Amino acid sequence: SQKIEQNSEALNIQEGKTATLTCNYTNYSPAYLQWYRQDPGRGPVFLLLIRENEKEKRKERLKVTFDTTLKQSLFHITASQPADSATYLCALDTGRRALTFGSGTRLQVQP
Amino acid sequence: DTAVSQTPKYLVTQMGNDKSIKCEQNLGHDTMYWYKQDSKKFLKIMFSYNNKELIINETVPNRFSPKSPDKAHLNLHINSLELGDSAVYFCASSQDRGLATGELFFGEGSRLTVL
Repeated sequence: SQKIEQNSEALNIQEGKTATLTCNYTNYSPAYLQWYRQDPGRGPVFLLLIRENEKEKRKERLKVTFDTTLKQSLFHITASQPADSATYLCALDTGRRALTFGSGTRLQVQP
Repeated sequence: DTAVSQTPKYLVTQMGNDKSIKCEQNLGHDTMYWYKQDSKKFLKIMFSYNNKELIINETVPNRFSPKSPDKAHLNLHINSLELGDSAVYFCASSQDRGLATGELFFGEGSRLTVL
């Protein structure tokens, strides 16, 4: 069966450290992968999109990698801040003309 | 101006009632969606419409009926509400890139509680 897996355990890190979140998928060959941020009581907000032919994408303190061989994407936040605390969702276009989301990883950045 | 707006934000109702959630986007996007987020925070696609045409209809009970009067609006009507319908319902829109889905813009969600 097709799956998108994110670490369901919350990730707790100290301010200033780099947070690394993982998204693994099986039985898909997505043309690209997206990352979203969701704060409590709010809708998800788009952060980054990376295509299958791109190994890495950066936006300010955010970096995403995409390894289509490993079927994995890593999402990094460098110099993390308490304001980065949120749930981060990865999403794939699984060919159905809609995004399929992972279950999200909650990040908590401690001051 | 809010890009994707949905109303109401909160809805508390009794089992067996019928309710509607409305969604409007002012981004000029071609495609709109309804997603359901359950208590475990898992976001699941329910429906998508492209230019008022139904594209995706997941295995959702037929008590749920989407309606798209024009490409800027997508409403969700739910008949005979059940306890298990309690969730947060998100509307979203995207500008597609051929057959690929572009980034989604979400509304703030409508939290439905069925008592």
